Amino acid sequence: EDKVVQSPLSLVVHEGDTVTLNCSYEVTNFRSLLWYKQEKKAPTFLFMLTSSGIEKKSGRLSSILDKKELFSILNITATQTGDSAVYLCGRSGAGSYQLTFGKGTKLSVIP
Amino acid sequence: DGGITQSPKYLFRKEGQNVTLSCEQNLNHDAMYWYRQDPGQGLRLIYYSQIVNDFQKGDIAEGYSVSREKKESFPLTVTSAQKNPTAFYLCASGQRDYGYTFGSGTRLTVV
Repeated sequence: EDKVVQSPLSLVVHEGDTVTLNCSYEVTNFRSLLWYKQEKKAPTFLFMLTSSGIEKKSGRLSSILDKKELFSILNITATQTGDSAVYLCGRSGAGSYQLTFGKGTKLSVIP
Repeated sequence: DGGITQSPKYLFRKEGQNVTLSCEQNLNHDAMYWYRQDPGQGLRLIYYSQIVNDFQKGDIAEGYSVSREKKESFPLTVTSAQKNPTAFYLCASGQRDYGYTFGSGTRLTVV
């Protein structure tokens, strides 16, 4: 099993705070690292990272990959109550099509 | 509209029954996946398929079976050998370098 470990598992912040979610992975045949947001049912795509050190941004969300240290972070600035969700981190392999996810981080943003 | 459709949204199964969950995509994606989601467990991979008539076991394949007779379809059968089938099941499809799309899920309950 190719492990993906996310931390923290849950987090409660106030609106306006900045949060950092962590994801570490095992190196076996790594191809890409993916972040998804799950509010109720279907996870929605946020980012796919393949190159180390290149930050991807979308509005208040950003993510970066460190292939040497085998981790990625997802930053959310100026959090809003609409950011409350489970954030999932997954990795895909180079040698196979296997796509493995971590347990997720449950983020709760309170007014 | 292009997308991935799971049906039914809710499914009830009696002890000892096999049930089949449907997953259909019209995105022309090669790869398709089935995940199980339990509270606090993230997404656990059941089966995946990268091409028609071929599929691979994931981390928790016992008690499940799949088929991939058409590119668009990847049904999952939960057999009576699965001792604890109550869970939320998610189907996904994608292309390795372009990301993955999830369906809205099927919630299966054993009664």
